[in-house]
Amino acid sequence: GIQVEQSPPDLILQEGANSTLRCNFSDSVNNLQWFHQNPWGQLINLFYIPSGTKQNGRLSATTVATERYSLLYISSSQTTDSGVYFCAADFAGGTSYGKLTFGQGTILTVHP
Amino acid sequence: SAVISQKPSRDICQRGTSLTIQCQVDSQVTMMFWYRQQPGQSLTLIATANQGSEATYESGFVIDKFPISRPNLTFSTLTVSNMSPEDSSIYLCSVEDAQASTYEQYFGPGTRLTVT
Repeated sequence: GIQVEQSPPDLILQEGANSTLRCNFSDSVNNLQWFHQNPWGQLINLFYIPSGTKQNGRLSATTVATERYSLLYISSSQTTDSGVYFCAADFAGGTSYGKLTFGQGTILTVHP
Repeated sequence: SAVISQKPSRDICQRGTSLTIQCQVDSQVTMMFWYRQQPGQSLTLIATANQGSEATYESGFVIDKFPISRPNLTFSTLTVSNMSPEDSSIYLCSVEDAQASTYEQYFGPGTRLTVT
């Protein structure tokens, strides 16, 4: 079936370190998004990136649609980057329009 | 991007009761979605709510347990009926931004429900 797999499940960093989070998806997508869930439960949109590369400050993302994976890069991490990072995909075709399938998330902890 | 609000932000409810969660968007949107996030878990889609038609439920979710209303293009409600402790979750609504020519979705702040 349709799957979104994220790795690693947990990541612990010292402030200032860089990291890469990976998202593998099982089929062609209309939509691929990265979110950060803060401690209050709110989902913050990081990137809408069904293909290509985008950058926003210390964060960047790359999706290689033909190989069905996406990467989220965090540089010079800060304690405020802590939280859960989710990748979610809306798979193309069929009746799945608009329905996001979420990965299990990566729990990031950044220590000062 | 669309601005989405939810009410209530949190609630503690007795088992056997029902709670209705409201989702309000600041612009007209065609499709609204309801998700559940159980403690320590990822998000799972409950249903898609389109204005003027019955909601479409995902496998494992039924209308009797999670009735949904969509009276207009800016508002929807999700009711969690006959609650049990297993319904303790964060419930989130989301929309696709109709202003943009993409499929990007935005989420409300969530409703944190605890059932005792």
